[in-house]
Amino acid sequence: QKEVEQDPGPLSVPEGAIVSLNCTYSNSAFQYFMWYRQYSRKGPELLMYTYSSGNKEDGRFTAQVDKSSKYISLFIRDSQPSDSATYLCAMKASFNKFYFGSGTKLNVKP
Amino acid sequence: DTEVTQTPKHLVMGMTNKKSLKCEQHMGHRAMYWYKQKAKKPPELMFVYSYEKLSINESVPSRFSPECPNSSLLNLHLHALQPEDSALYLCASSQGGGKDILDTQYFGPGTRLTVL
Repeated sequence: QKEVEQDPGPLSVPEGAIVSLNCTYSNSAFQYFMWYRQYSRKGPELLMYTYSSGNKEDGRFTAQVDKSSKYISLFIRDSQPSDSATYLCAMKASFNKFYFGSGTKLNVKP
Repeated sequence: DTEVTQTPKHLVMGMTNKKSLKCEQHMGHRAMYWYKQKAKKPPELMFVYSYEKLSINESVPSRFSPECPNSSLLNLHLHALQPEDSALYLCASSQGGGKDILDTQYFGPGTRLTVL
């Protein structure tokens, strides 16, 4: 079983839709959770990070963590074509090692 | 400033060449990382330097040789690579500190390597 599971998609939505991206994990030691956006042939860009259960909002993005279910989500409101990218979740337990999901490819159609 | 820079952007090399990838950050981060990323796959960890010392080597072949000359710089020396080593090589940095859980990782734009 992988440490972090993420549906690879692709996920195709119309412009303006609410997008929900999700990851599940098996290691209860994970304490720190990140979402990255990666455009084709570019490096991952940090979108959001959180270290506690609950919601964290930043503009159109909301990160949600449910440690009891070992489940994290990223919501994108009013999605735009420029949001089309691959979204990676990442997690960290203690030492300097980060665990990545496989990435979900999102396509927002105009 | 949360910038990690990498040079070169693109590199084409033959299997007998020796080349180096360079990475730089000026955020005062004490942990630096090399990842390899193949198309449509997540980044795959290769090496971690913590306080300029190699702390994690994910069983990477010896044809890849990392070096951390100082706290801001990270190099990856390449020698006798194989065509299957063609990939996007990503550098990242984080505050580090080992057990510090309040940490996050910033990536550079990557070097796209092609081995002929």
